[in-house]
Formats: sequence, structure tokens, C-alpha cells
Amino acid sequence: QVQLEESGGGVVQPGRSLRLSCAASGFTFSSYGMHWVRQAPGKGLEWVAVIWYDGSNKYYADSVKGRFTISRDNSKNTLYLQMNSLRAEDTAVYYCARDAVVYATSHNWFDPWGQGTLVTVSS
Amino acid sequence: DIQMTQSPSTLSASVGDRVTITCRASQSISSWLAWYQQKKGKAPKLLIYDASSLESGVPSRFSGSGSGTEFTLTISSLQPDDFATYYCQQYNSYPVTFGQGTKVEIK
Repeated sequence: QVQLEESGGGVVQPGRSLRLSCAASGFTFSSYGMHWVRQAPGKGLEWVAVIWYDGSNKYYADSVKGRFTISRDNSKNTLYLQMNSLRAEDTAVYYCARDAVVYATSHNWFDPWGQGTLVTVSS
Repeated sequence: DIQMTQSPSTLSASVGDRVTITCRASQSISSWLAWYQQKKGKAPKLLIYDASSLESGVPSRFSGSGSGTEFTLTISSLQPDDFATYYCQQYNSYPVTFGQGTKVEIK
């Protein structure tokens, strides 16, 4: 079955870096765009970044632009989020999510989602 | 950026009630809208896409309607499993944005 499993979360000091991973299985990873979405404790959902199925395009939320980098390794069926210069306001559960439709470059909803990994930025 | 505004923020209802949640976009998004259900400590689950298409496996008591800037999610007869938080999402353009959520509570 289609599965997404995030890892790499933890407690990190402000200003430091962390890399999240999302391992995909049960589908042809290289055919789908992938997203990161985060949710601060007790808050709503905030989209973070997208990478197209072939890695040719990436878009970011303004709140993370210049600090976070989304990437993928289609040979390892894995999505990454490199997070630098972390701030307290980056504390959240980070979900990876798949585009619902193959080879989409726009107008795509998310399905499925992983279970999330918690990132806590605190001194 | 396109702002998505849901109402109400919280809704108290009883099993069997008909429930309607509204989502408004700050500009037209055609029908590029999805609805998700999220239970505490779990990932969001897709219910509706393209404003009115029911995701496979989702009970038919869920329905979506609307286009342009005004959308609704309706639960025709609320069941115990439906008490959760619901989010709308626009995917007309980047950045993708979500509504702030509507929590459906037991009355």
C-alpha cells in the first residue's frame, strides 16, 4: 500500500540545522510531486514547500524561503527537507504529502500524507 | 497569496445533525479546492477534491459544493466518527493555503 514515513525530527537549538527525510513506498515515487506541510502545536496547517516529480521546480512559503531547501532522490524513493537557521516559530509537526495525480505541475491536492515528525526549536 | 477563511471556527452538534462548514477564498480559485479531516494526533485525511468530488472510500454523507470564492462542506447526518477538525485547501496557485480549520465538537 502507499506509505510515507517521515524521520529526522527532534529538539534543536535556535540557529542550528536539521534535515528531515520522508521515505516513500507502494507507488512510483519519481512520477509524483511531493510537499512538506507543517502544523505548529495547537495550530492549523501551513504549506512549506513543493518539489516537482522530476525535481525541476521547487516553490517555498515566504516564511521559510532562503532557510529551507526541499530535495528528492528518486533512486532512493526519498524526499528531504534541509532546515537551516531554525527559529522557535519553526516548531511544528512536519508532514510530507504526495500530489494526488501523476506528473502534475499545478492544480493538485494532497493524498496521502505521512504521520509526521515533530521538530522542536528551543534552547 | 490567496487567503482562505473558514466559518465557523468551532461547531457543536449532535449525532444525526446536518452540518455545514463554509470556506471563502480571497479571490477566485475556480474549483481548485479540497477538504481534509484531521483527528487529534493524526495526519489529515482527504475527503473532497475539485470542490465536489468525493474521494474513494469516503462515506457518501460527506459532500462538497461551490466554485469561485465560496465553498461548503456538508455532512448530511453526523456520526460519532466525524467529530474532528476540518480544513479547506486551495490549490489554484502557489503558495497553497489552508483555512484555519473548523472543529466539530459533541453537543
